[in-house]
Amino acid sequence: AQSVTQPDIHITVSEGASLELRCNYSYGATPYLFWYVQSPGQGLQLLLKYFSGDTLVQGIKGFEAEFKRSQSSFNLRKPSVHWSDAAEYFCAVGEGLTGGGNKLTFGTGTQLKVEL
Amino acid sequence: DTEVTQTPKHLVMGMTNKKSLKCEQHMGHRAMYWYKQKAKKPPELMFVYSYEKLSINESVPSRFSPECPNSSLLNLHLHALQPEDSALYLCASSQEGGTEQYFGPGTRLTVT
Repeated sequence: AQSVTQPDIHITVSEGASLELRCNYSYGATPYLFWYVQSPGQGLQLLLKYFSGDTLVQGIKGFEAEFKRSQSSFNLRKPSVHWSDAAEYFCAVGEGLTGGGNKLTFGTGTQLKVEL
Repeated sequence: DTEVTQTPKHLVMGMTNKKSLKCEQHMGHRAMYWYKQKAKKPPELMFVYSYEKLSINESVPSRFSPECPNSSLLNLHLHALQPEDSALYLCASSQEGGTEQYFGPGTRLTVT
C-alpha cells in the first residue's frame, strides 16, 4: 500500500529565509505526487504536482519540488519565505481507482511558522 | 475556473437533526469526493463518485449518506450524527485518472 511520511511536524523559519519541507513516499510504481497547502479553517490548495518528466517541478507562489526516485523523496522548497506562507503543508501520493477517480494518500502534514 | 464551492460554511446540528452539505463544481470534472478532516490531521477520504456513480465508500457509517444528482453536484446527507463527527468536511473534484484534485473551502460541522 502506498504511504507518505512527513518527518517534520513543525518548522519555524524567519521571513526571507529559505525553506525545505521533507516528504518521503512508498509506492510500487511511478507515483503521482502532490503538495497542498492549507490555511486555518480553509480548504486545500494545490501548490504543485509531479507525474513524469523533469524531476524539478515549479508551482505557484514561488514553490518548487524535486522528485528523487533513488531516495523516494519529493521535497518542497522556496528560496525566500514570506509571512503569508505560514500554513499547514501536506504531501500526497495519488493512484487511479478501478471504478473511476483517484485516491490521495496524505502525509501527516508540516505546520510552518514564519517569524517576522 | 478551478473553483469548488461548498455550502454552508458552518453548520451546528443536534444529534437528532437531519441536514445536508452541498458541493458544486463547473470544471467538467467527472469524479467528486468527500473528505473528513479533524483538527491537526490530514483529510480522510470518505466517498468517491465517478460519472455520478459511487465508486468508493471507505467504510463510512450509514449516518452519512452521499448523493450525486448530476455531474456538477455532490451532496452529503447527515442524520443522527455523534459529537465525534464534528470536523471540517471537504469536497473535491478531479478529471478521470490519476490527476490532481481541487478542493472546496469546506463546511465546519459541529454536532451538539
